Amino acid sequence: ETAVFQTPNYHVTQVGNEVSFNCKQTLGHDTMYWYKQDSKKLLKIMFSYNNKQLIVNETVPRRFSPQSSDKAHLNLRIKSVEPEDSAVYLCASSPGTYYAEQFFGPGTRLTVL
Amino acid sequence: QQKVQQSPESLSVPEGGMASLNCTSSDRNFQYFWWYRQHSGEGPKALMSIFSDGDKKEGRFTAHLNKASLHVSLHIRDSQPSDSALYFCAASESTNAYKVIFGKGTHLHVLP
Repeated sequence: ETAVFQTPNYHVTQVGNEVSFNCKQTLGHDTMYWYKQDSKKLLKIMFSYNNKQLIVNETVPRRFSPQSSDKAHLNLRIKSVEPEDSAVYLCASSPGTYYAEQFFGPGTRLTVL
Repeated sequence: QQKVQQSPESLSVPEGGMASLNCTSSDRNFQYFWWYRQHSGEGPKALMSIFSDGDKKEGRFTAHLNKASLHVSLHIRDSQPSDSALYFCAASESTNAYKVIFGKGTHLHVLP
């Protein structure tokens, strides 16, 4: 099956803990993204990687760090989570061509208590 | 200010009716538009792109772009209950194809 896979589906944690989310795409795409979708469904780009190279780095707190081991994997680590980090984190991928369609994973819902 | 604005926030249409969604960019750098649809509990899925002035039709969906006014619309004819979802307009910068800005979305409810 070719798609974008994310783990875990849900994660509940306490303020100050560290969390990591995984994303893998089997579509053979060159570009991967992380988005944050808040409780009002606002969707905001956080990072974009093309062939393991960071190409978009929006203004996000420094506690967020993306990690790419190869072009099929893009993980997201959050050091010392805050309550405002509660959201759905969506991973996406697209071919390396300009203005291409993005394929999204199902998301990881983070709840910070 | 939100660079990609969508209206209305919510829209209800009867089954079989026409749904019309609107999107405007306030930044002339954003000229490449996409429509995405998100069903509850899923990630967004691309419906169609439109990069040139005029209409683009794919099945029941028609997008229209006016680059001079940076206005793009999506029309769904013969709306089905399965079309009930959150619809996003997304725009890419002309100088950075990988930076995509999404609007706040329009909630579409198709009433059986």
